[in-house]
Amino acid sequence: GQNIDQPTEMTATEGAIVQINCTYQTSGFNGLFWYQQHAGEAPTFLSYNVLDGLEEKGRFSSFLSRSKGYSYLLLKELQMKDSASYLCAVRDTGGFKTIFGAGTRLFVKA
Amino acid sequence: DAGVTQSPTHLIKTRGQHVTLRCSPISGHKSVSWYQQVLGQGPQFIFQYYEKEERGRGNFPDRFSARQFPNYSSELNVNALLLGDSALYLCASSGTGGEKLFFGSGTQLSVL
Repeated sequence: GQNIDQPTEMTATEGAIVQINCTYQTSGFNGLFWYQQHAGEAPTFLSYNVLDGLEEKGRFSSFLSRSKGYSYLLLKELQMKDSASYLCAVRDTGGFKTIFGAGTRLFVKA
Repeated sequence: DAGVTQSPTHLIKTRGQHVTLRCSPISGHKSVSWYQQVLGQGPQFIFQYYEKEERGRGNFPDRFSARQFPNYSSELNVNALLLGDSALYLCASSGTGGEKLFFGSGTQLSVL
């Protein structure tokens, strides 16, 4: 079966750091993705991990542990524009299906 | 270059009708995926097409069908519409490497 879990909502303060966790149980694995989705807009790609470890890209970092079925997205120096839903997604073996979690709605307050 | 384009942007239908949604991928992308997104939820996988062949199918009834054309554009068809089919339908394309999906702005379907 396919199951991706992430918190429903999180609130953080502008300038702070926030970590959004994701755990997954999938029948196959060929990469984990994080997407950002602002209200009323389409998801946009943030990061991709296929091997264990940390990938850093500017204010955003993503970590993967395949043995634990665990990933997190780390957002530093939070800005108001970071208020959005963050979607954890797993691509299955063969790469023909990417499954999304329900998303974590992040609220950044001043 | 143009991104993924979807049409129409909004659509209102009544129960029992059918609907066709259209998607044009980014130039050079041969893979198209369709997703259904209900408000407050993540996108649910419906289909993936690559080189005009169906390569993946999600847990949706046979009322949902799709196809991909020689120019790699795609159509999603839904027959016998139900109220529960009301959602945002997203199309995404990806390149040969297939690492990431590029989404269109979606078609908001309302079934009354």
